[in-house]
Amino acid sequence: TQLLEQSPQFLSIQEGENLTVYCNSSSVFSSLQWYRQEPGEGPVLLVTVVTGGEVKKLKRLTFQFGDARKDSSLHITAAQTGDTGLYLCAGLPNQGGKLIFGQGTELSVKP
Amino acid sequence: DTGVSQDPRHKITKRGQNVTFRCDPISEHNRLYWYRQTLGQGPEFLTYFQNEAQLEKSRLLSDRFSAERPKGSFSTLEIQRTEQGDSAMYLCASSQTRDSPLHFGNGTRLTVT
Repeated sequence: TQLLEQSPQFLSIQEGENLTVYCNSSSVFSSLQWYRQEPGEGPVLLVTVVTGGEVKKLKRLTFQFGDARKDSSLHITAAQTGDTGLYLCAGLPNQGGKLIFGQGTELSVKP
Repeated sequence: DTGVSQDPRHKITKRGQNVTFRCDPISEHNRLYWYRQTLGQGPEFLTYFQNEAQLEKSRLLSDRFSAERPKGSFSTLEIQRTEQGDSAMYLCASSQTRDSPLHFGNGTRLTVT
């Protein structure tokens, strides 16, 4: 069974701080997606990374896919209160069609 | 693109009752997925369809759970003889292809008392 381990599980920081969320696995994924979820809503896609070593930027968010396509990270620069939410990484295995989610990182950004 | 819609948004039921949830995916999406999520955790895969064919079902899913997508459009998820451990958010998502990102509905929150 392929698993994705996210860390940290909880993160509480002050506005303006930087943070990094990690997503690790012993398995290779053909792609990795990051979602953000707010209470009472479904997850919403932030980015998809496909190539090993790939780096994508979305405003203050930087996503990286590991060279071996087994891990990924999300870095947020100068966090804002609007960044508060549950961040989920999800990997698509080389075989099969289901997306496997990590446990999530609950981020709270305080003013 | 009207998005993925799920009905009902909330369901409270007594232990032992049967419940059925409905999901309407984005119209041109061939794939439809069901996930279950408990508070503060990531979604856990239940099953998925390509058109009307159910291609995979989680081994975690007991025989009390069944899902259908009869005409390759909307889908239903039924839970028979509900148990308190079934209390969770049930999320539906759709995508165009295997490699496309998932578009989620806002879920059905089930509470079993």
